[in-house]
Amino acid sequence: DTEVTQTPKHLVMGMTNKKSLKCEQHMGHRAMYWYKQKAKKPPELMFVYSYEKLSINESVPSRFSPECPNSSLLNLHLHALQPEDSALYLCASSQDRAGNEKLFFGSGTQLSVL
Amino acid sequence: GEDVEQSLFLSVREGDSSVINCTYTDSSSTYLYWYKQEPGAGLQLLTYIFSNMDMKQDQRLTVLLNKKDKHLSLRIADTQTGDSAIYFCAESAGGAGSYQLTFGKGTKLSVIP
Repeated sequence: DTEVTQTPKHLVMGMTNKKSLKCEQHMGHRAMYWYKQKAKKPPELMFVYSYEKLSINESVPSRFSPECPNSSLLNLHLHALQPEDSALYLCASSQDRAGNEKLFFGSGTQLSVL
Repeated sequence: GEDVEQSLFLSVREGDSSVINCTYTDSSSTYLYWYKQEPGAGLQLLTYIFSNMDMKQDQRLTVLLNKKDKHLSLRIADTQTGDSAIYFCAESAGGAGSYQLTFGKGTKLSVIP
């Protein structure tokens, strides 16, 4: 199994809603990532979890809250988002963070904030 | 700081070779990667090269690395319509336990039948 599975594939939410994005991998990877990608732009790193501990938070607003319940799962909790937060949210995983970051990406959640 | 530059567009005819170029600035990069992104999809790792190598070949893909000039290229032989996508160059730099990828802006490859 070399897949990273993200749900849902599409999400439309209002600015007062609370929603969660989910990500799952069963490759035994110990590093998991959230990226945000705007149209026609490269992915921007948001958070990195290494061995289930948050190791990088790239100055992301608190309306985005990551959670890593176990080594296979990564969630991104969303609350009070703004329309400019509309983007493709990509989850990725890698074996670890020892130098060869072969990232496996999910297909992403296309988020629209109204 | 790290910076990865790519040209934004490339158009080739089906059957020709495509060459996508990338320059990077961080001389401490250990690995360099090429990712492919099709519309509405995530990124797919195509190939990667360790910084002490000059060349790596994998079927239709050839990666060339000029470490002195900090220049990386991806050659796709016999380009097919299914190769139409955005190709991102990325470098991995940092210290033990803190490596991070920096992506270029992506090159949109259009293959003309």
